Amino acid sequence: AQSVTQPDIHITVSEGASLELRCNYSYGATPYLFWYVQSPGQGLQLLLKYFSGDTLVQGIKGFEAEFKRSQSSFNLRKPSVHWSDAAEYFCAVGANRDDKIIFGKGTRLHILP
Amino acid sequence: DTGVSQNPRHKITKRGQNVTFRCDPISEHNRLYWYRQTLGQGPEFLTYFQNEAQLEKSRLLSDRFSAERPKGSFSTLEIQRTEQGDSAMYLCASSPWAGRELFFGEGSRLTVL
Repeated sequence: AQSVTQPDIHITVSEGASLELRCNYSYGATPYLFWYVQSPGQGLQLLLKYFSGDTLVQGIKGFEAEFKRSQSSFNLRKPSVHWSDAAEYFCAVGANRDDKIIFGKGTRLHILP
Repeated sequence: DTGVSQNPRHKITKRGQNVTFRCDPISEHNRLYWYRQTLGQGPEFLTYFQNEAQLEKSRLLSDRFSAERPKGSFSTLEIQRTEQGDSAMYLCASSPWAGRELFFGEGSRLTVL
């Protein structure tokens, strides 16, 4: 069965600084990978997704993520964070066309002014 | 608004009572998922449907939980004889077909007193 690990429970960065949130997955074949964001009191919103092809994917709000098969990772990056990026970020993996999507426990991002 | 709709948004009940949540997915989506989220945790998979067929139910779910999706449209999640440990946000999501990203509703928050 597939699984997702987000090693960092909390991350704090200064506004304007770069950001990288880590995600490691476990699955034997090529996974489908996602990053979602959840702001306080809000529903989950898709930031970006990887199904196949180019391993660097662009998402909304200036985020990008890179799929590295050799490291079983799908880290989320942003070159310059804004105070509005403070939220909880979830990495998720789907095993194949007929399987469910599993979420990591999340990383809470705090932004210092 | 053609997004995923969940009702009720909030439910407070006494221990031992039964509760039912409803989810109306995006109309052309044939996949429907239920997740549970507690404070500080990621969405935990409960069950999912393809059209009216329930494809998988989490082993974490007790027999007190049941979900249906009659006619492959809306879905209901019923919890019988609620316990305080059932207090959580219950999230519904839909997707157009297997392996694609999930579109989430805003959730139904359950508080068991």
